[in-house]
Amino acid sequence: QSVLTQPASVSGSPGQSITISCTGTSSDVGGHDYVSWYQQHPGKAPKLMIYDVTNRPSGVSSRFSGSKSGNTASLTISGLQAEDEADYYCKSFSSNTIYVFGSGTTVTVL
Amino acid sequence: EVQLLQSGGGLVQPGGSQRLSCAASGFTFGIYAMSWVRQAPGKGLEWVSAISGNGDYTYYADSVKGRFTISRDNSKDTLYLQMNSLRADDTAVYFCAKKCSFACHRFDPWGQGSLVTVSS
Repeated sequence: QSVLTQPASVSGSPGQSITISCTGTSSDVGGHDYVSWYQQHPGKAPKLMIYDVTNRPSGVSSRFSGSKSGNTASLTISGLQAEDEADYYCKSFSSNTIYVFGSGTTVTVL
Repeated sequence: EVQLLQSGGGLVQPGGSQRLSCAASGFTFGIYAMSWVRQAPGKGLEWVSAISGNGDYTYYADSVKGRFTISRDNSKDTLYLQMNSLRADDTAVYFCAKKCSFACHRFDPWGQGSLVTVSS
């Protein structure tokens, strides 16, 4: 099935900022403001971190922020902490397939 | 507290069937759409199916269309996924997730996951 394109891995030192990209098409990321981001620790269920491109659910740290430009959405983690080490997935509403997930990005804190 | 507690899963032979359940608590189940998402071992997330709050509307990924059926019993606050004609590539952890209300598309929270292994 079609997936949104994410980098396989991103790393950073504690305190640094990192950005994860999520590239789709005009049928999904570019055509709707319904991009969300999920954090998944090993063996755990995914957790919602960002929704509707830029919104943060209550309880999620303000160090997490989202944005979008054209067909690419981005998740930025500022002030990187050891607990941020996890897999991150973007998801978009799609005119073609209802929902499509990104390929996933492993964040490593050096 | 909103909770989704999953049951079902296990080992099933190719061509067999399996039903997953997802019991909801802490919210008015019948007014929220629900979804199933799966994750093959070592792989990424794949959206599988969704159902409207009243059950009138259902949606499926092409990979499961015609083989899987999503349903819900609002009197029991429970979501189901009936999986038939299972194949090896259906082996995955299956998660249920609560979707927000009309015209929004975030999944929050998620169930703990149920492992389905299709193998002879």
